[in-house]
Amino acid sequence: GQQLNQSPQSMFIQEGEDVSMNCTSSSIFNTWLWYKQDPGEGPVLLIALYKAGELTSNGRLTAQFGITRKDSFLNISASIPSDVGIYFCAGLQGGSEKLVFGKGTKLTVNP
Amino acid sequence: KAGVTQTPRYLIKTRGQQVTLSCSPISGHRSVSWYQQTPGQGLQFLFEYFSETQRNKGNFPGRFSGRQFSNSRSEMNVSTLELGDSALYLCASSFLGETQYFGPGTRLLVL
Repeated sequence: GQQLNQSPQSMFIQEGEDVSMNCTSSSIFNTWLWYKQDPGEGPVLLIALYKAGELTSNGRLTAQFGITRKDSFLNISASIPSDVGIYFCAGLQGGSEKLVFGKGTKLTVNP
Repeated sequence: KAGVTQTPRYLIKTRGQQVTLSCSPISGHRSVSWYQQTPGQGLQFLFEYFSETQRNKGNFPGRFSGRQFSNSRSEMNVSTLELGDSALYLCASSFLGETQYFGPGTRLLVL
């Protein structure tokens, strides 16, 4: 099935560092979503983006909807140990409830 | 508001059996989507229901089916289970065309 190109696949960082990850696609999406998933649990919504160029923050998290509508990035500032997990980007195309996901970025934070 | 609930959380079945998974959406949400998550394929869309009607379907065989009841609760059924059906099955609900919120998932193991 269709998937978004998410990078990097994994990151190992020190507590306090900033993190950046991104998703790209050859197709246009009308909505970009970022989720975090802990082992054995469902994805939890972090940030939703609805307009091209939109920049949205949620605490230490900031995400942007690319102006071409084919990409998005997520930044985490001043990482802490509880940021550990797998981060997924997901996109929605017009007229569909079918979310297309990236393969995830596995984040490890060393205290 | 209570979140999306899924039952059961864990399930072990043998090849050839069938299984039914249940999902209760967030109160007021009328759209329910189902996803399969595996290490190899990531998160893949199964189908989406709105007002008891299937509106979108992913690329899965006919062994995978679902339905939605008048109270928006949804079930998915997998018949003639195969080893490759072992996965985390996730349900997500949304009001309509808005952000999808996921449940904790049902982990299915097929032996």
